[in-house]
Amino acid sequence: AQTVTQSQPEMSVQEAETVTLSCTYDTSENNYYLFWYKQPPSRQMILVIRQEAYKQQNATENRFSVNFQKAAKSFSLKISDSQLGDTAMYFCAFMKHAGGGADGLTFGKGTHLIIQP
Amino acid sequence: NAGVMQNPRHLVRRRGQEARLRCSPMKGHSHVYWYRQLPEEGLKFMVYLQKENIIDESGMPKERFSAEFPKEGPSILRIQQVVRGDSAAYFCASSLLTGPNEKLFFGSGTQLSVL
Repeated sequence: AQTVTQSQPEMSVQEAETVTLSCTYDTSENNYYLFWYKQPPSRQMILVIRQEAYKQQNATENRFSVNFQKAAKSFSLKISDSQLGDTAMYFCAFMKHAGGGADGLTFGKGTHLIIQP
Repeated sequence: NAGVMQNPRHLVRRRGQEARLRCSPMKGHSHVYWYRQLPEEGLKFMVYLQKENIIDESGMPKERFSAEFPKEGPSILRIQQVVRGDSAAYFCASSLLTGPNEKLFFGSGTQLSVL
């Protein structure tokens, strides 16, 4: 079974600063996918970024980038030039390659990110 | 193209009552997943359905919980004889196909409160 650990229950930064959210995971799988989801107060889960484990290059989506360290089983999310709208819960998630979309998504407990004006 | 629609958004039930949660997937999506989010926790997988079939219910409690996705109409998550521990946010997600390359689209969830 996979586990996903987010060790920061809450973080707070000033607007325009850069913030990094940490995530570690444990698995015996070699092929898998990692995700960061954002959950604003509206409660809807929004995919922020995705990383395939077989790719060495770190994924980037505009202001969002990841630092994927496969050997260390670490998958941190960096948000640059943070904005007030980035305030939300952020969940790290793991999916086995063979598991499809069903049981494959294992979530961490989340980090509550607060962007201060 | 409407997203994944869940209703009701909030549902209050007394212990022992039944709760029925509805999920209409995105248009054209035939794969539906239900997740439960307890307070201060991440989402936990419950069940995966395709039209008229339950594919994986390994995350579903063995008793009182059932799910269906009929040929016509929304997917339904049914909880019989609710208890306080069932209080949680229940999320539905849908996808066009299955597999890790397929993007999951989530609804806004149903917050179930059991008094």
